[in-house]
Amino acid sequence: QQQVKQSPQSLIVQKGGISIINCAYENTAFDYFPWYQQFPGKGPALLIAIRPDVSEKKEGRFTISFNKSAKQFSLHIMDSQPGDSATYFCAAIPSGGYQKVTFGTGTKLQVIP
Amino acid sequence: NAGVTQTPKFRILKIGQSMTLQCTQDMNHNYMYWYRQDPGMGLKLIYYSVGAGITDKGEVPNGYNVSRSTTEDFPLRLELAAPSQTSVYFCASNDPPRRNTGELFFGEGSRLTVL
Repeated sequence: QQQVKQSPQSLIVQKGGISIINCAYENTAFDYFPWYQQFPGKGPALLIAIRPDVSEKKEGRFTISFNKSAKQFSLHIMDSQPGDSATYFCAAIPSGGYQKVTFGTGTKLQVIP
Repeated sequence: NAGVTQTPKFRILKIGQSMTLQCTQDMNHNYMYWYRQDPGMGLKLIYYSVGAGITDKGEVPNGYNVSRSTTEDFPLRLELAAPSQTSVYFCASNDPPRRNTGELFFGEGSRLTVL
């Protein structure tokens, strides 16, 4: 199973600050890179996703930056809010689809007032 | 719209007992999955199904069994529970637009403790 390395494991950010979570993947052909957000006691939910033919995707305060040559992608949360406090998972989906998905180990984000 | 519904939400089992985690979805999705989530380990795929009557193993299938008799239901069976099966289990489904990507819809999870 290919690995996706996610960092940091936990992150504390002040309200209004920028949260940055990084993921790196190994040498394989991935087609799709989603980020999932999980609140305590809930299942993960898709937050934002990118395909490898673009370098950046922005949706509101959330941006994915993708560096294909470095095999890295990151999630940036601008103007972080206490309501963003959750665990974030990156994932890499190969051409085989979600049957072959690799999830990162998760980052627990806490946004303090 | 209920989405993906899992039962039970919590369960304590004794070593060697068996049980079934139920999962049902009302989105008419063909693809369904079972994951387990352990602290610091992310999500690991146990089994998946691409349609009624079709199932296959994921990354960590040992100690589990599944069946898919209908599009809606995808139960996960634990036989002879072991402490290593203490985890949070998530059922998910999707109907991918192309090459099985897109959004995966998760249930709220079932927390299982084996003592």
